[in-house]
Amino acid sequence: ETGVTQSPTHLIKTRGQQVTLRCSSQSGHNTVSWYQQALGQGPQFIFQYYREEENGRGNFPPRFSGLQFPNYSSELNVNALELDDSALYLCASSLNGGSGNTIYFGEGSWLTVV
Amino acid sequence: QKEVEQDPGPLSVPEGAIVSLNCTYSNSAFQYFMWYRQYSRKGPELLMYTYSSGNKEDGRFTAQVDKSSKYISLFIRDSQPSDSATYLCAMSAIQAGKSTFGDGTTLTVKP
Repeated sequence: ETGVTQSPTHLIKTRGQQVTLRCSSQSGHNTVSWYQQALGQGPQFIFQYYREEENGRGNFPPRFSGLQFPNYSSELNVNALELDDSALYLCASSLNGGSGNTIYFGEGSWLTVV
Repeated sequence: QKEVEQDPGPLSVPEGAIVSLNCTYSNSAFQYFMWYRQYSRKGPELLMYTYSSGNKEDGRFTAQVDKSSKYISLFIRDSQPSDSATYLCAMSAIQAGKSTFGDGTTLTVKP
């Protein structure tokens, strides 16, 4: 148990729809990173939020957006869903960015786009 | 070319075998080197973590980092069926806040 919880665990959406995924970080952590893991691939960094501000972004289009709240929980929003957005979305929390063994992952949200 | 390349597998070994999993990387800024285990597409579970070069041992697991060759390895001794999973290598720079992952190697240990 890492103390990082994600919801929902599974969901199915139709192409063109919008989705919101949620993450509660481990107690005391102020940084949340989101990753996309497509089938057969490793997790790919989407973006990171530190103290409610975006603090780094990977190679993902603007239709991937996020929020971090004062309690440091976070949301990932994806607009105009495409079939290739089908993946496991992972949230990782840490303190002040974190490195190595101080980054804790949740169990992920499975998104299927049909 | 990807920053982190991992031997793709899949790998199938008999119980009790020694397993070697390997990754290479290109970014010299990487200082933290991690190995994660992932079961049935659940969240990655941190298995081993090394800072900079050297070896680290934890029970049946040994992680090696050779920064001069930009090469990392994970060795599993006396492999067990419960070790069957996908193993991901990951790396990060100091306080980078993000990790760069390999694509994983799926290991099956047969009884």
